[in-house]
Amino acid sequence: AQTVTQSQPEMSVQEAETVTLSCTYDTSENNYYLFWYKQPPSRQMILVIRQEAYKQQNATENRFSVNFQKAAKSFSLKISDSQLGDTAMYFCAFMKHRNSNYQLIWGAGTKLIIKP
Amino acid sequence: NAGVTQTPKFRVLKTGQSMTLLCAQDMNHEYMYWYRQDPGMGLRLIHYSVGEGTTAKGEVPDGYNVSRLKKQNFLLGLESAAPSQTSVYFCASTMTGSNQPQHFGDGTRLSIL
Repeated sequence: AQTVTQSQPEMSVQEAETVTLSCTYDTSENNYYLFWYKQPPSRQMILVIRQEAYKQQNATENRFSVNFQKAAKSFSLKISDSQLGDTAMYFCAFMKHRNSNYQLIWGAGTKLIIKP
Repeated sequence: NAGVTQTPKFRVLKTGQSMTLLCAQDMNHEYMYWYRQDPGMGLRLIHYSVGEGTTAKGEVPDGYNVSRLKKQNFLLGLESAAPSQTSVYFCASTMTGSNQPQHFGDGTRLSIL
């Protein structure tokens, strides 16, 4: 069975700093997808970035980028030039490529606080 | 664009009462999901549906029932509410395709006294 582990329950950084959130996963699959979702205090779950395991290039979305290490089964999220609006819970999620009904396996989340 | 809409947003129930949470999506998505979110834990899948008229159990289905009579709606029912079901409930939907993200509603905060 697949599992997703986020080892940092809470992190805080100063505004404009760079922060990296860690995520590791366990799977025997070769093809799969990884996601980072953000949940601000408003509670809405928002997709931040996604990565296909067959792609070696790390995904980037503006200030958000990932460091995908397939052999190490690691999928960290880097937020550059952090902003107050980045304060949120961040969840890492895994999805098998096939026969999964597109179900996501979720980590427990990291609470990120951006301080002014 | 409404996306995924959950009704109600908040509810307080007494132990033993029943209620239904409604999820509606206007994106013509085939797949829909109900999750619960508890403090210190990731989302846990309760039930899901791969299309109109179909439902399947997820990780924590006990005490819940679901129905998908129309493609756009996915209902979650609590037949006899228990305090252990106090949680925030999220509905999500997605189109087919493994790299497609799930789209979420705003959640329903449910308290069982």
